[in-house]
Amino acid sequence: EIVLTQSPGTLSVTPGERATLSCTATQSVSKNYVAWYVHTFGQAPRLLIYGATKRATDVSDRFSGSGSGTDFSLTISSLGPEDSGVYYCQQYGVSPRTFGQGTKVEIK
Amino acid sequence: QLLLQESGSEVVKPSQTLFLTCGVSGASFNVGGFSWHWIRQAPGKALEWIGYTFYSGGTSYNPSLKSRVTISVDRDRKHFSLRLTSVTAADTAMYYCVREGAGDWAFDSWGQGTLVTVSS
Repeated sequence: EIVLTQSPGTLSVTPGERATLSCTATQSVSKNYVAWYVHTFGQAPRLLIYGATKRATDVSDRFSGSGSGTDFSLTISSLGPEDSGVYYCQQYGVSPRTFGQGTKVEIK
Repeated sequence: QLLLQESGSEVVKPSQTLFLTCGVSGASFNVGGFSWHWIRQAPGKALEWIGYTFYSGGTSYNPSLKSRVTISVDRDRKHFSLRLTSVTAADTAMYYCVREGAGDWAFDSWGQGTLVTVSS
């Protein structure tokens, strides 16, 4: 099973700042099939990035994904209050599908 | 637009069986290449993948749950189901049904989730 480790665990940022979230896999992810989701209280998780770098439908261009192999990252430029939540990376190159433990983003 | 809706047991007694269904509407259920998943989140924990089924009936399960899980599809009723046997308090969680898109689309559509509590 591919284990994904996300860092940092919590990120506290000022509105307008840029944030970079990291996700490291224990082995290379097939076809760079890594996705990023945001989960806010009371809502279902929402897909932001798939295939490591592609934005999902209707996702703001403030969100960008990068990386390949075992190291991936999500960058959120110019954070706003609506961006608070828990962000998860996930690999879907192989079964079992696995998620990271999440990075909580707090807006100061 | 695809709509997924979970329904089923909200409270299950320890050692009994949890049963949930996911209704699929607004888009074709039988389109090839999509897979239909169950994912859960226990209180204070990360998301956990349970398994999936294809419309054709092929399945794959998380090894940690494989001995207790069955995911099946009902083509006539346009839904897929989750059966989890011998539940314990550790199975208390929000359960989501999810579609994984074809190719590299990832988990692109999620149900709102249903909270299942294991309690006597």
